[in-house]
Amino acid sequence: DAGVIQSPRHEVTEMGQEVTLRCKPISGHNSLFWYRQTMMRGLELLIYFNNNVPIDDSGMPEDRFSAKMPNASFSTLKIQPSEPRDSAVYFCASILEGTEAFFGQGTRLTVV
Amino acid sequence: RKEVEQDPGPFNVPEGATVAFNCTYSNSASQSFFWYRQDCRKEPKLLMSVYSSGNEDGRFTAQLNRASQYISLLIRDSKLSDSATYLCVVSTSGTYKYIFGTGTRLKVLA
Repeated sequence: DAGVIQSPRHEVTEMGQEVTLRCKPISGHNSLFWYRQTMMRGLELLIYFNNNVPIDDSGMPEDRFSAKMPNASFSTLKIQPSEPRDSAVYFCASILEGTEAFFGQGTRLTVV
Repeated sequence: RKEVEQDPGPFNVPEGATVAFNCTYSNSASQSFFWYRQDCRKEPKLLMSVYSSGNEDGRFTAQLNRASQYISLLIRDSKLSDSATYLCVVSTSGTYKYIFGTGTRLKVLA
């Protein structure tokens, strides 16, 4: 397996634009997590899915953020409209039944 | 209070030194514990799980203290290559919600 795959690796966008981040988890893993990492706040859990169902989205900062997992092999995190304070590295991770979390390489988002 | 707290450091230690990090957690129902390592501009990767009885992997020893609600990581004979950020992770029983600490930066100096 190629591991958790995220795209794009880097994204630079203008304030107000819509941004969509994509994640392909490891095949067979049943939980998927979206995290955001900044120097100030560290690694924050935004939302996680279990068997494609959103379980806890209490970490999603505000209504501008939304996440979907239409099937077991794909998830998206959307920011609309984007703001400069959304600039961060966004990680996706997948887990099989409470074992090790495997992370993708992250998407480095810059909103100017 | 944050669910998982760590001293951000940095811890600057000479090669060969022994260094220890602690991580405290607030939820007494926490059931699973891990240490992850993150190199600069890279994704976090599992270093080791933390078992109730404590566990060792080479130069690394992890321990759990449920009464005081903290986990620890001890690194013996530090190498330059140990320089990284160490993140503790806590998960609550019955959920797969993995909460990360903000990490402790370690710099091993030649």
